[in-house]
Amino acid sequence: GQQLNQSPQSMFIQEGEDVSMNCTSSSIFNTWLWYKQDPGEGPVLLIALYKAGELTSNGRLTAQFGITRKDSFLNISASIPSDVGIYFCAGLIDNLFFGTGTRLTVIP
Amino acid sequence: DGGITQSPKYLFRKEGQNVTLSCEQNLNHDAMYWYRQDPGQGLRLIYYSQIVNDFQKGDIAEGYSVSREKKESFPLTVTSAQKNPTAFYLCASSQGRTGELFFGEGSRLTVL
Repeated sequence: GQQLNQSPQSMFIQEGEDVSMNCTSSSIFNTWLWYKQDPGEGPVLLIALYKAGELTSNGRLTAQFGITRKDSFLNISASIPSDVGIYFCAGLIDNLFFGTGTRLTVIP
Repeated sequence: DGGITQSPKYLFRKEGQNVTLSCEQNLNHDAMYWYRQDPGQGLRLIYYSQIVNDFQKGDIAEGYSVSREKKESFPLTVTSAQKNPTAFYLCASSQGRTGELFFGEGSRLTVL
């Protein structure tokens, strides 16, 4: 399958700080998506991006579809304790491929 | 409420035994998927089905089997041929191939 390199692997931040994570690939994707997984549960879709260059916000979350179609980033502003979890990027071309995840810990 | 139900949530089995994980959805979605999640790794696709009575292998189908006799149901059997079956298994569904998946809560299988 396609390889999506997600970074950083883990982050420890203070409550109120902004967070930035990204996902890169050597392959082109038609759609980029970001999911969040809480411990012991299934991932939940946060944001979907359908066009190269697209910038989309969902509350405190902002994500962009890279212009080359090979990358995407996710920003979280003013983090809160419930932001804790694993964030996965995913790229769609024929099938959906997932990155290895960024584990976010928010320190109150 | 609409959603995806996986069962059981936790399962322990002895080596060499086949195990079937249940996945049911009432979202009226056409497509259903099974993913495997291991620590530190992303989700890897085992099998998917876009329509009843049809399914395709994903990246890691060896040692697994599925059926899709009803639109709502997509059970996964982990056979004794799967060399390393201990993992967290996630079922998902979608309407079309948009990448927008709805996931169940997962089934954690431990083989002793």
